[in-house]
Amino acid sequence: SQQGEEDPQALSIQEGENATMNCSYKTSINNLQWYRQNSGRGLVHLILIRSNEREKHSGRLRVTLDTSKKSSSLLITASRAADTASYFCATDASKLVFGAGTILRVKS
Amino acid sequence: DTEVTQTPKHLVMGMTNKKSLKCEQHMGHRAMYWYKQKAKKPPELMFVYSYEKLSINESVPSRFSPECPNSSLLNLHLHALQPEDSALYLCASSPLAGTQGYYFGPGTRLTVT
Repeated sequence: SQQGEEDPQALSIQEGENATMNCSYKTSINNLQWYRQNSGRGLVHLILIRSNEREKHSGRLRVTLDTSKKSSSLLITASRAADTASYFCATDASKLVFGAGTILRVKS
Repeated sequence: DTEVTQTPKHLVMGMTNKKSLKCEQHMGHRAMYWYKQKAKKPPELMFVYSYEKLSINESVPSRFSPECPNSSLLNLHLHALQPEDSALYLCASSPLAGTQGYYFGPGTRLTVT
């Protein structure tokens, strides 16, 4: 069962621009994770943020979490063509449940 | 070794066939998972194994039968599938503590004819 919504459903930007994806969820969580998937392949874990954390950074990635609004955002700075992929948030509350995903296209 | 391997990469089977999907990891993870992903949709959880025991079955039809022979291996036995079962089947593993992300395999692309 899908946990929540992600927006936008699709995002197209130029190389070098920033990309922001948002995720909303419905239940209490232990942590929230973001994954990348390149066209029909396995998912790659990007970053995990615990429910008691508000912001986390990893390289060009910045994730925020607002548990009062049950929402999270993923910011990819200085995007590259290689960042083109589908991005999913996933909430972990005894099992990992994925949101609908955002398709990101970075044009060179 | 931080890899989850899955075999086969592609599988085409008829509705009367019996086949198995295999998954292996050597990271010492004691939790392993099967997910099903249809085109342009998010992965959907099917089964969770913790310490080689089935802990979650997301009301999956009995034509899918999981098996965890040891802490490194996870199988998914398939029998009498329907065309709507065609999908990408993803295996994943994780430490049980919930402080790290999941490691996913590349998936098996299943087509039921």
